[in-house]
Amino acid sequence: GQNIDQPTEMTATEGAIVQINCTYQTSGFNGLFWYQQHAGEAPTFLSYNVLDGLEEKGRFSSFLSRSKGYSYLLLKELQMKDSASYLCAVRDRGYQKVTFGIGTKLQVIP
Amino acid sequence: DTEVTQTPKHLVMGMTNKKSLKCEQHMGHRAMYWYKQKAKKPPELMFVYSYEKLSINESVPSRFSPECPNSSLLNLHLHALQPEDSALYLCASSQGQGRGPGELFFGEGSRLTVL
Repeated sequence: GQNIDQPTEMTATEGAIVQINCTYQTSGFNGLFWYQQHAGEAPTFLSYNVLDGLEEKGRFSSFLSRSKGYSYLLLKELQMKDSASYLCAVRDRGYQKVTFGIGTKLQVIP
Repeated sequence: DTEVTQTPKHLVMGMTNKKSLKCEQHMGHRAMYWYKQKAKKPPELMFVYSYEKLSINESVPSRFSPECPNSSLLNLHLHALQPEDSALYLCASSQGQGRGPGELFFGEGSRLTVL
């Protein structure tokens, strides 16, 4: 099975940088995803890591260390519209089962 | 605009009703999923279809019955539900293994209320 931990809430200032951490324990690993979910909406894909290292995508970057069972999502130049929940999700070895963490609710303040 | 379409967006039903949730995608994806999400909780996997065959059932009660009529359509038939089944039901699709990261594309969800 999967066990995924991430902080439940964070607050950051507009224009700043914020790092959202995720740790996981899994019986099999085949990739880690980050999704953004605004209140009342469906999750949307942000990033994917399957190998160790940093993946950069505009204002968003994601890092993975498989040996430590650790990932983070880095958001730069925060904007008010970045206020949302950020879900860490792990895919198992079978490729089809994706398990989500509880999500980190990020509030961006002026 | 989402490329996964779910209907209806909202559904209210009694415990003795039979209703269905529908999901459609035209991205050529061969895997389709049903997730259930309650307020302030993460999405929980219910079912996975791969190439139109049920490949994962996460011990979901039989009052939820999935169906995949073809590679573009996914239904969830509901019967004799309980009030605790009230939730947002999310459909998702993804490409098959070996075709990129295989991220999930979600529909906007069907918000179900069971009275």
